Amino acid sequence: QKEVEQNSGPLSVPEGAIASLNCTYSDRGSQSFFWYRQYSGKSPELIMSIYSNGDKEDGRFTAQLNKASQYVSLLIRDSQPSDSATYLCAVNWSTGGFKTIFGAGTRLFVKA
Amino acid sequence: GAVVSQHPSWVICKSGTSVKIECRSLDFQATTMFWYRQFPKQSLMLMATSNEGSKATYEQGVEKDKFLINHASLTLSTLTVTSAHPEDSSFYICSANDQASTDTQYFGPGTRLTVL
Repeated sequence: QKEVEQNSGPLSVPEGAIASLNCTYSDRGSQSFFWYRQYSGKSPELIMSIYSNGDKEDGRFTAQLNKASQYVSLLIRDSQPSDSATYLCAVNWSTGGFKTIFGAGTRLFVKA
Repeated sequence: GAVVSQHPSWVICKSGTSVKIECRSLDFQATTMFWYRQFPKQSLMLMATSNEGSKATYEQGVEKDKFLINHASLTLSTLTVTSAHPEDSSFYICSANDQASTDTQYFGPGTRLTVL
């Protein structure tokens, strides 16, 4: 089992729709979770962090965390073509020192 | 806040030469810096973890003698690709961990290395 797993996509949604990106992780002890956005040819940029079960909203982005199911998701409301990018899920591992494990990313296309 | 810079942003070199890439945290002190490599359309691959004043910890399969990492201060880490070859051509990205908020990594803009 991969440590942090994401659907590689591509996920294609029309402009204005809600994009839903999912991530599962294998370390039950993990406490810190992050979503990064990476445009082609650029480095990742942090969108959100989440630490507690439930939802966390920031503008058009909502992160959802369910530690019992070892599942974290990112919703993008009112998707825009500029949201087209690869979204990386990252999890801080609870063992072996400070280590962040990244998923392979989900490519999102927002069609105008 | 939490800005990380990298220099150079791109470099082209001849096979056999060495290339040094700098990573700086501009507005915070970084306890830890990370070096990643990313090939086109592939995911980030962690190469090594660097703590200020100590030897870097390399991931399995990464040659420490080829990828020299120095973390001399809380704001600067360098990666030197020694005797570079065309297969080392890649996008190298550093990230830094904010000492005041140790959970989050902030990425530099990356360095695109092309070895001819």
